[in-house]
Amino acid sequence: ETGVTQSPTHLIKTRGQQVTLRCSSQSGHNTVSWYQQALGQGPQFIFQYYREEENGRGNFPPRFSGLQFPNYSSELNVNALELDDSALYLCASSLGGAESNQPQHFGDGTRLSIL
Amino acid sequence: GDSVTQMEGPVTLSEEAFLTINCTYTATGYPSLFWYVQYPGEGLQLLLKATKADDKGSNKGFEATYRKETTSFHLEKGSVQVSDSAVYFCALSEPDSWGKLQFGAGTQVVVTP
Repeated sequence: ETGVTQSPTHLIKTRGQQVTLRCSSQSGHNTVSWYQQALGQGPQFIFQYYREEENGRGNFPPRFSGLQFPNYSSELNVNALELDDSALYLCASSLGGAESNQPQHFGDGTRLSIL
Repeated sequence: GDSVTQMEGPVTLSEEAFLTINCTYTATGYPSLFWYVQYPGEGLQLLLKATKADDKGSNKGFEATYRKETTSFHLEKGSVQVSDSAVYFCALSEPDSWGKLQFGAGTQVVVTP
């Protein structure tokens, strides 16, 4: 069983640039969630995708957007990067459903640094 | 809104000591509760979970009991090892929320030989 994989592992950008982060979900999982983890803090929910549709969003501005593909992999796009966007971005997959209590399985994250 | 509060770290212990990390929560419904562990440079790994009151989750010598009356889910281990050094996160997921997680700030645990 293949786990959640994320790419790239590290990325350095400058303010105002745009970035795309990628995530391959665990085999058999149809739901992908993205989290932002600032240094020394707990992860914060950005949004979730189920069957290629956004399925809930946290308190993040519209410059954070995403996609899910038919194979359930996903992208997180961030436009107009700001210094505060420096963080570890975590992708998690699960077998979804509103009443699902299946735990989320996390990738190792992408460390994004904004200069 | 929902929230999770954990004791602040770092918690520094000697090998074979007893570990407790306190976690309390505020939720509108009856959430599922989780402990995740994060080793340096890695993502989060599910350590244990409990889905209803009085359930006890356990894994790798760690235990936590879902206490509805005190809205708590404290993590315990009887004898820690150096390899348990990591950051531990308490989290909740509300019913019908598609598993979306609300995390605490994390507690760093350092175990010395």
